[in-house]
Amino acid sequence: DTEVTQTPKHLVMGMTNKKSLKCEQHMGHRAMYWYKQKAKKPPELMFVYSYEKLSINESVPSRFSPECPNSSLLNLHLHALQPEDSALYLCASRHLQGNRELFFGEGSRLTVL
Amino acid sequence: DAKTTQPNSMESNEEEPVHLPCNHSTISGTDYIHWYRQLPSQGPEYVIHGLTSNVNNRMASLAIAEDRKSSTLILHRATLRDAAVYYCILRPASGGSNYKLTFGKGTLLTVNP
Repeated sequence: DTEVTQTPKHLVMGMTNKKSLKCEQHMGHRAMYWYKQKAKKPPELMFVYSYEKLSINESVPSRFSPECPNSSLLNLHLHALQPEDSALYLCASRHLQGNRELFFGEGSRLTVL
Repeated sequence: DAKTTQPNSMESNEEEPVHLPCNHSTISGTDYIHWYRQLPSQGPEYVIHGLTSNVNNRMASLAIAEDRKSSTLILHRATLRDAAVYYCILRPASGGSNYKLTFGKGTLLTVNP
């Protein structure tokens, strides 16, 4: 299994809603990432988890709240988002040793109304 | 983070070789050179990486200049499926920033039939 699975694929939410994005991998990777990608722009790093602990937060607003409940799962909790937060949210994972190639999911496309 | 510079776009014909350049004049001695690509409507995927020597894999070849200030990703026979944005990324070898993978603007490759 060499997949990173993201759900949902599409999400539409209002500015007062609370929703979550989910990412799952079963490759034994102990580093997991959230990236945000706006249209025709490169992915921007948001968070990195290493051994289920938050190791990097790229000054992301607190309305985005990551969670890594176990080594296979990564969540991104969303609350009080703004329309400018509409984007493709990409999850990635990798081994902490060896090749360290990042495996990406297909992303969750978020629209904030 | 050390920066990379790539052409915004390149064009190729199907079944011809493609050479995608990347300049990284501020590369440090321990930075790895990684290449990823992003096909339309998909998450990025790993292509190849190297440190000093040229590298080959089933997808591509990576040619690294002797002074390491530039590199070239070589697709030996472009296919329509190779049309994508190609990202050249420098990854530090050690320390906390090792966990980061910071994407630049990339090169949009168009493959003509």
